[in-house]
Amino acid sequence: AQKITQTQPGMFVQEKEAVTLDCTYDTSDPSYGLFWYKQPSSGEMIFLIYQGSYDQQNATEGRYSLNFQKARKSANLVISASQLGDSAMYFCAMRETTGANSKLTFGKGITLSVRP
Amino acid sequence: DAGVTQSPTHLIKTRGQQVTLRCSPKSGHDTVSWYQQALGQGPQFIFQYYEEEERQRGNFPDRFSGHQFPNYSSELNVNALLLGDSALYLCASSSPRDYRGSTDTQYFGPGTRLTVL
Repeated sequence: AQKITQTQPGMFVQEKEAVTLDCTYDTSDPSYGLFWYKQPSSGEMIFLIYQGSYDQQNATEGRYSLNFQKARKSANLVISASQLGDSAMYFCAMRETTGANSKLTFGKGITLSVRP
Repeated sequence: DAGVTQSPTHLIKTRGQQVTLRCSPKSGHDTVSWYQQALGQGPQFIFQYYEEEERQRGNFPDRFSGHQFPNYSSELNVNALLLGDSALYLCASSSPRDYRGSTDTQYFGPGTRLTVL
């Protein structure tokens, strides 16, 4: 069974500084995908970044980068130059890619608060 | 490019009633997934529809059912509502053809917040 673990309590970061949000996962599938989503108080889940299990390089999308350590089964999200609008819940999710299965399994999320 | 839309935004029902939630996928997407998100938790997968058929289902009772229409829009139906069904219901759309650096990335709508009294 898949499992996503996000154990950090609420995180605080000063505006313009970088912050790392932790995510560890557990799967026996050799092929899988890892995602990070942002959920503001409005409720919509916003896709941030994706990392495939076979990708050779860490994914980057603007201010977001993913520190993928396959052997440790971790996929930490790094947000550089934090902005006030980054305050939100952040979810790590995994998708197994065998056959037609494509459901996402989510962690419990991390609350990030950016201080001015 | 229209994103995923859901209706209604909010809904209040009483125990035992039935509810129907609606979702229109992002343009070009043909797969719709539904998730339930209880307060303070991550979303839980309910089921996924592709080519008008349920392709995969999570650990939810038969009271939860769905449908996908030829235009790829989808409905989630919940019968005999329980207090525990109160949650944010999220719809996500995807397409194997949306290769944007990855396959099958799911894009979410704003959700429907259901309150059962």
